[in-house]
Amino acid sequence: DTAVSQTPKYLVTQMGNDKSIKCEQNLGHDTMYWYKQDSKKFLKIMFSYNNKELIINETVPNRFSPKSPDKAHLNLHINSLELGDSAVYFCASKRGTEAFFGQGTRLTVV
Amino acid sequence: GESVGLHLPTLSVQEGDNSIINCAYSNSASDYFIWYKQESGKGPQFIIDIRSNMDKRQGQRVTVLLNKTVKHLSLQIAATQPGDSAVYFCAENKAGYSTLTFGKGTMLLVSP
Repeated sequence: DTAVSQTPKYLVTQMGNDKSIKCEQNLGHDTMYWYKQDSKKFLKIMFSYNNKELIINETVPNRFSPKSPDKAHLNLHINSLELGDSAVYFCASKRGTEAFFGQGTRLTVV
Repeated sequence: GESVGLHLPTLSVQEGDNSIINCAYSNSASDYFIWYKQESGKGPQFIIDIRSNMDKRQGQRVTVLLNKTVKHLSLQIAATQPGDSAVYFCAENKAGYSTLTFGKGTMLLVSP
């Protein structure tokens, strides 16, 4: 059983398109996150959701918007994709001190 | 050997050696610190954590040391194995917040 699952694993799209990445966790955690990992492996927090309420948005462009239909899901929508959006995006959920990460979605904007 | 990196440093060791991976943090308000392991093509995986009121914690083959005076965290891996090859990240959690802030990783390469 996969604790945190993301789809798709790979996403290649053209500049200007709108795309979504889905995330689901079956751990019953209250807090979920989206992280962006750049080509230098640096992990940067994008969004944090606690009980469906957005609690942190770290200077992310408003082209990015998280959507949480329920506590188990936190999807990431990206509008008007740009070349600089190419990265690996990770979803995670946490309870206590341990965060569980999905396998990542490699987004390539061409 | 040990490595402290501002970019993505690489630590190369032989199988069976002990490895030490270092991390400097900046937020003195962090209430706990965590080490993660990221294998190629996978998400980060929790290894061990340590509360800010502790200076040492041991797990299976791993030990984390916390020096709050100099804001330094280290991960020691005993008897390193090829399967330990990965990128290792330290992360900190600011007290009262749920967000983990990651440091820049260190790549560990273990040769047989």
